[in-house]
Amino acid sequence: ETGVTQTPRHLVMGMTNKKSLKCEQHLGHNAMYWYKQSAKKPLELMFVYNFKEQTENNSVPSRFSPECPNSSHLFLHLHTLQPEDSALYLCASSPGEAGHLNEQFFGPGTRLTVL
Amino acid sequence: KQEVTQIPAALSVPEGENLVLNCSFTDSAIYNLQWFRQDPGKGLTSLLLIQSSQREQTSGRLNASLDKSSGRSTLYIAASQPGDSATYLCAVRVGAAGNKLTFGGGTRVLVKP
Repeated sequence: ETGVTQTPRHLVMGMTNKKSLKCEQHLGHNAMYWYKQSAKKPLELMFVYNFKEQTENNSVPSRFSPECPNSSHLFLHLHTLQPEDSALYLCASSPGEAGHLNEQFFGPGTRLTVL
Repeated sequence: KQEVTQIPAALSVPEGENLVLNCSFTDSAIYNLQWFRQDPGKGLTSLLLIQSSQREQTSGRLNASLDKSSGRSTLYIAASQPGDSATYLCAVRVGAAGNKLTFGGGTRVLVKP
């Protein structure tokens, strides 16, 4: 266990559905991240939050909407997704965004399938 | 733009043999490099983090080296075991401000008993 939990672990949704992915970290960290891992592609950073403020949006389509109500929780709201959005979505946290020994700790991921 | 490459994409070795995994990056101005392990359908487990000022890091049977000038890092796993079977990913961080990691595609390792 890395101290980062994600729910649900698996999600199947239709293109017209609205769903949310949840990430929670129990490490006292201040930075949280969403990554997307598609088949046969390297892990891609989607969003970064530092002290609840979004500091990075890596040109992610607006059908993905992140929310960070506090430093321990991060959500990814999904609506009108496409089949190509099917992937493993990984959440990570780190002590802060800047700084020396700033190791990222990852959750187990949510396997998303869009029909 | 930083690009990270891991070759080979897959590797199969008999149990007991030493594993050598390669990672190369195009921009040598990195802040640190991190090696991860990923089991099928699971999240990432951090193995080793090497700062740009370091040449290597060791943890148990794992040893990672870093050569910034040539844009390469190597992960050595001594005396491999079937439990070492997983995908190994390397990621580089550029800059002290902003913890953006750029990942390689990974090397899928199978250790046969």
